[in-house]
Amino acid sequence: QKEVEQNSGPLSVPEGAIASLNCTYSDRGSQSFFWYRQYSGKSPELIMFIYSNGDKEDGRFTAQLNKASQYVSLLIRDSQPSDSATYLCAVPTNFGNEKLTFGTGTRLTIIP
Amino acid sequence: DAGVTQSPTHLIKTRGQQVTLRCSPKSGHDTVSWYQQALGQGPQFIFQYYEEEERQRGNFPDRFSGHQFPNYSSELNVNALLLGDSALYLCASSFVVGEQFFGPGTRLTVL
Repeated sequence: QKEVEQNSGPLSVPEGAIASLNCTYSDRGSQSFFWYRQYSGKSPELIMFIYSNGDKEDGRFTAQLNKASQYVSLLIRDSQPSDSATYLCAVPTNFGNEKLTFGTGTRLTIIP
Repeated sequence: DAGVTQSPTHLIKTRGQQVTLRCSPKSGHDTVSWYQQALGQGPQFIFQYYEEEERQRGNFPDRFSGHQFPNYSSELNVNALLLGDSALYLCASSFVVGEQFFGPGTRLTVL
């Protein structure tokens, strides 16, 4: 089993709809979780992080964490064409600054 | 405030050659991590430098080595290049405990 797993997609969502991106992880001791957005040919950009069970909202983005199920998700409301990118889930080995283990990323396309 | 910078942007080398990539961290950051990202894959951790020492290392051969300077900037060296080393090399900086911010990357092509 891979340490961090994501559906590689592609995931196509109509403009204005909700995009739902999912990630599962194998280390039950993981404490924090990061979502990065990566446009084609560019470097990853941090968009959300979550440490506690439940939901965390930031603008159109909501991160959801369920530690019992070892599952973290990212919801994008009112999807825009500019949201079309690859979304990477990343889990650090320890809280904060150790190595990040990334999933393979989910490629999201917003259809106008 | 300058973010993380990397040089060069692109690089073409042949098999067997050696390459050095450079990274300057974001202002105020003291920790530098290096990642390799092959096409269609997520970044893979190579190693991390803090206080001029390698703090943690991923599953990469000894051909990959690095260095951190007193001003926190860092270099990644790869010896005896293989075709499989072709990838986007990403540098990320952070401050002790905190989120990692990525530079624009160096695209390495090995022919």
